[in-house]
Amino acid sequence: DQQVKQNSPSLSVQEGRISILNCDYTNSMFDYFLWYKKYPAEGPTFLISISSIKDKNEDGRFTVFLNKSAKHLSLHIVPSQPGDSAVYFCAARGGADGLTFGKGTHLIIQP
Amino acid sequence: DVKVTQSSRYLVKRTGEKVFLECVQDMDHENMFWYRQDPGLGLRLIYFSYDVKMKEKGDIPEGYSVSREKKERFSLILESASTNQTSMYLCASKDISRGRGYTFGSGTRLTVV
Repeated sequence: DQQVKQNSPSLSVQEGRISILNCDYTNSMFDYFLWYKKYPAEGPTFLISISSIKDKNEDGRFTVFLNKSAKHLSLHIVPSQPGDSAVYFCAARGGADGLTFGKGTHLIIQP
Repeated sequence: DVKVTQSSRYLVKRTGEKVFLECVQDMDHENMFWYRQDPGLGLRLIYFSYDVKMKEKGDIPEGYSVSREKKERFSLILESASTNQTSMYLCASKDISRGRGYTFGSGTRLTVV
């Protein structure tokens, strides 16, 4: 039973445009959500997070939106840059301390 | 900045071997985690630890054990390596300051032949 779902395995976006990565979750006990970015042969690096008491958090080009009623969050990257090409993981925290990760979305920024 | 160091970037081991994956963090964090990453499956939690000598099973603990003798070191042990344990293994340390969540090491790519 997958509690955190990223339904798009890959996404291709033109440089300069907006990238929108989506994530759905099923566990209403999750209280904190994070996005990680991962390059090949490297560990994931933290990108941005949001508490369940908020609906938006912004950090430079990155904005995360949370819709609790829909159990949905999204990551917006504006404008998209070539260095943004990576795998993005959505993660949620609740219950035991480990994070529950989605399967990831491979974002490809085309020149 | 928190640093999480995994001792090996690449390892090749034979089926049946006992394998140790080492992870060290330098920020006195209580909580440490081991994940594995596989294509199409994302990151899955194997084991985690709240403190020295404490361990908890994650989602996929079968075939693995862990050791936490010192606070800074969390070891993942494959008692008898099998080919289905070929994977990228990621260690993480909990850092909740400024909402940054968990800090990951660079990963160990393990191949079991």
